[in-house]
Amino acid sequence: DTGVSQNPRHKITKRGQNVTFRCDPISEHNRLYWYRQTLGQGPEFLTYFQNEAQLEKSRLLSDRFSAERPKGSFSTLEIQRTEQGDSAMYLCASSLGAGDNQETQYFGPGTRLLVL
Amino acid sequence: AQSVTQPDIHITVSEGASLELRCNYSYGATPYLFWYVQSPGQGLQLLLKYFSGDTLVQGIKGFEAEFKRSQSSFNLRKPSVHWSDAAEYFCAVGETGGSYIPTFGRGTSLIVHP
Repeated sequence: DTGVSQNPRHKITKRGQNVTFRCDPISEHNRLYWYRQTLGQGPEFLTYFQNEAQLEKSRLLSDRFSAERPKGSFSTLEIQRTEQGDSAMYLCASSLGAGDNQETQYFGPGTRLLVL
Repeated sequence: AQSVTQPDIHITVSEGASLELRCNYSYGATPYLFWYVQSPGQGLQLLLKYFSGDTLVQGIKGFEAEFKRSQSSFNLRKPSVHWSDAAEYFCAVGETGGSYIPTFGRGTSLIVHP
């Protein structure tokens, strides 16, 4: 068990550019979650997957945000036409997805995005 | 909609003193409740969780929390704080019914004085 990994750990981009973040969940975990965390706030849920199916995406912040998990393993979060307000920490978490007592989410270290 | 309130933005304690971090939630049904800790540059780590059953929950690192339905609270406690406990603590309430999507509070920053 190597834990949840996220790449890159840091990203600096210019406003208007597209960025993509990757998350590799714990290998046997079926569920994968994306969150955004801004300074002084708790994580804010964005979207989640059960295997390759995206079960909730209405809370993505705008249509500039999209996520994929094409083979039910790793996931990517893309932000198009970045804005300065997108600067934040983007967190990924995974869980077994097998039932109540299995629903502990394990978080990755996050990708910190700075939009100039 | 569910919500979580952590009324204390910062808490300062002396090493060896007891600790209580407050958490109040709003949710229409029996909630799933969590406490996470986040150290600088680290991801969130689960300290403990409540799904059902015994309302006093034991967690890792000597932490415990008590679910009080009448007060809509899930306060985190530790009898003796160590300097390494200095971190950000987040309470969260999870949706029931299958999605388990958590709503987090804004966090409480714990400062430990030697």
